[in-house]
Amino acid sequence: SQTIHQWPATLVQPVGSPLSLECTVEGTSNPNLYWYRQAAGRGLQLLFYSVGIGQISSEVPQNLSASRPQDRQFILSSKKLLLSDSGFYLCAWSGGGWEQYFGPGTRLTVT
Amino acid sequence: AQRVTQPEKLLSVFKGAPVELKCNYSYSGSPELFWYVQYSRQRLQLLLRHISRESIKGFTADLNKGETSFHLKKPFAQEEDSAMYYCALREYGNKLVFGAGTILRVKS
Repeated sequence: SQTIHQWPATLVQPVGSPLSLECTVEGTSNPNLYWYRQAAGRGLQLLFYSVGIGQISSEVPQNLSASRPQDRQFILSSKKLLLSDSGFYLCAWSGGGWEQYFGPGTRLTVT
Repeated sequence: AQRVTQPEKLLSVFKGAPVELKCNYSYSGSPELFWYVQYSRQRLQLLLRHISRESIKGFTADLNKGETSFHLKKPFAQEEDSAMYYCALREYGNKLVFGAGTILRVKS
């Protein structure tokens, strides 16, 4: 069966520090992959999505970037974190259909 | 731009009372809408999809194109229904636009 993992579960980082959040999917190949951010009162905002290795689409201009070095690995990065980057980050995948399957999320606090 | 509006941040009802979680959308084409739910300490998961027109855990949602709404309803709330509920609209491809979410609290 398919599973999706995210780590770390929680992270506290100072302003200006780098960021790397990792998401991996097991049990499927060539999934569509997504990064969302959940900020208080704003729902889930799609940040990036990828339909294949090295193919990244950015939905909103921001301080973050994404990469897909392997078929089932999706990484969210930043060179210098801002206070406004704090939030709950969710990774999701979908196969050939419409349903998205979400990971457990990472709580990022930028201090 | 496509938008999904959930006007209530929090909805608090008593056990056994009816529940209606509101969702309105704006979309230029033929919409495809979903309700996702996140129970405490669990992952966000699909609850139901308008195309399937099914009832899941007693919940139903009807797409009203005239009112551009997709409200989630349940006739008798149960304590285990307490969760965060998100309405979502499918864009081209498999991208989803989510509303801000509504916390449902069912009191005993």
